[in-house]
Amino acid sequence: GENVEQHPSTLSVQEGDSAVIKCTYSDSASNYFPWYKQELGKRPQLIIDIRSNVGEKKDQRIAVTLNKTAKHFSLHITETQPEDSAVYFCAASILRPGDMRFGAGTRLTVKP
Amino acid sequence: GAVVSQHPSWVICKSGTSVKIECRSLDFQATTMFWYRQFPKQSLMLMATSNEGSKATYEQGVEKDKFLINHASLTLSTLTVTSAHPEDSSFYICSARGARFGTDTQYFGPGTRLTVL
Repeated sequence: GENVEQHPSTLSVQEGDSAVIKCTYSDSASNYFPWYKQELGKRPQLIIDIRSNVGEKKDQRIAVTLNKTAKHFSLHITETQPEDSAVYFCAASILRPGDMRFGAGTRLTVKP
Repeated sequence: GAVVSQHPSWVICKSGTSVKIECRSLDFQATTMFWYRQFPKQSLMLMATSNEGSKATYEQGVEKDKFLINHASLTLSTLTVTSAHPEDSSFYICSARGARFGTDTQYFGPGTRLTVL
């Protein structure tokens, strides 16, 4: 089955700096890669996703890149703000049936 | 985005009792629902996948007789933890997916915190 590895497990940055979180996956058939943000005790919230037919996607301060050959994808957050502090999870799935496998999570702390 | 609700949001029960958790898609038809459990400071672990009207597919290591899943309609799935024990205490989260506006995105419920005494 699919195995997703995520690094780093914790990341601390100064407000305004950029943050990068990286994930690798094992199943070359995976074609959907979402990123979720989870605040303590709350549900994971989808922040951005990318499909395998696209190499990069951007939404304001957030971007995701995908390298299918190397089977890795990354989340980039620019101009970080304290409210970006949370746990971020990457995931990989095959769209049908779509049972996502999650990375272990990265605890991001943005210091004011 | 789509709205998924879960009930109850938290429950405390005695060891040996059964607990039912409901997951509802409020504004879309969920052809597939997923159940995850999450221990403190850990990732989401997929327990099972359920399609409306058919039996759930359980992940390896998840006891299907202990975690009963029913997906009776396109808007409701239930997870029943039977004969709960303290080691079943966890955060249980459902997610739902339905082709809506051409997307296959999964939307998560708010989670249910189960504490077994």
